[in-house]
Amino acid sequence: AQKITQTQPGMFVQEKEAVTLDCTYDTSDPSYGLFWYKQPSSGEMIFLIYQGSYDQQNATEGRYSLNFQKARKSANLVISASQLGDSAMYFCAMREGQGGKLIFGQGTELSVKP
Amino acid sequence: DTEVTQTPKHLVMGMTNKKSLKCEQHMGHRAMYWYKQKAKKPPELMFVYSYEKLSINESVPSRFSPECPNSSLLNLHLHALQPEDSALYLCASSLSIQEVSYNEQFFGPGTRLTVL
Repeated sequence: AQKITQTQPGMFVQEKEAVTLDCTYDTSDPSYGLFWYKQPSSGEMIFLIYQGSYDQQNATEGRYSLNFQKARKSANLVISASQLGDSAMYFCAMREGQGGKLIFGQGTELSVKP
Repeated sequence: DTEVTQTPKHLVMGMTNKKSLKCEQHMGHRAMYWYKQKAKKPPELMFVYSYEKLSINESVPSRFSPECPNSSLLNLHLHALQPEDSALYLCASSLSIQEVSYNEQFFGPGTRLTVL
């Protein structure tokens, strides 16, 4: 069964507007971490934001915020005031318990229009 | 220094060649990872090293041979590869494999490998 689901293969957003990228996950482990990474066409995976399963507040990092709804098992990424440089592939990932293994979703390709 | 470096950036090799990919970090991280990524797909974990010992091998074929000579260096030795092994190979590091807050994995820029 797929543990991380990103249902939007591709999305478009107008520059300066906000956009939400969806991510749902499935785990029976009470302790887990959720990550969002950005991958431009150059290939490097850039860490954006982290949410721990026990964190009470939604994570925020600059223009990025994570809308964490634990009961729904969703961890959507919100990018405010989109910029042209935000055009990239975005991956949601989950780490379960110990071991360090990250499980990635299929990714969402975001295109920002001028 | 919050950087993971990888060399070479690009590599073209024949099926009979032997080559190595190199990854280096100087963040004091004790966990290092190799991922394989095909175009438009998510990265797939290959190996995890923890304190220079192999912790996870995701059933990777023996033509891929990892090595961790010290806590800063991670190599991936390649031998007798197949064309389907052509991909982007990403290295990553993190504080540890333990589950602690902000134990994110920092990725290198990757090596684009083409097997002819």
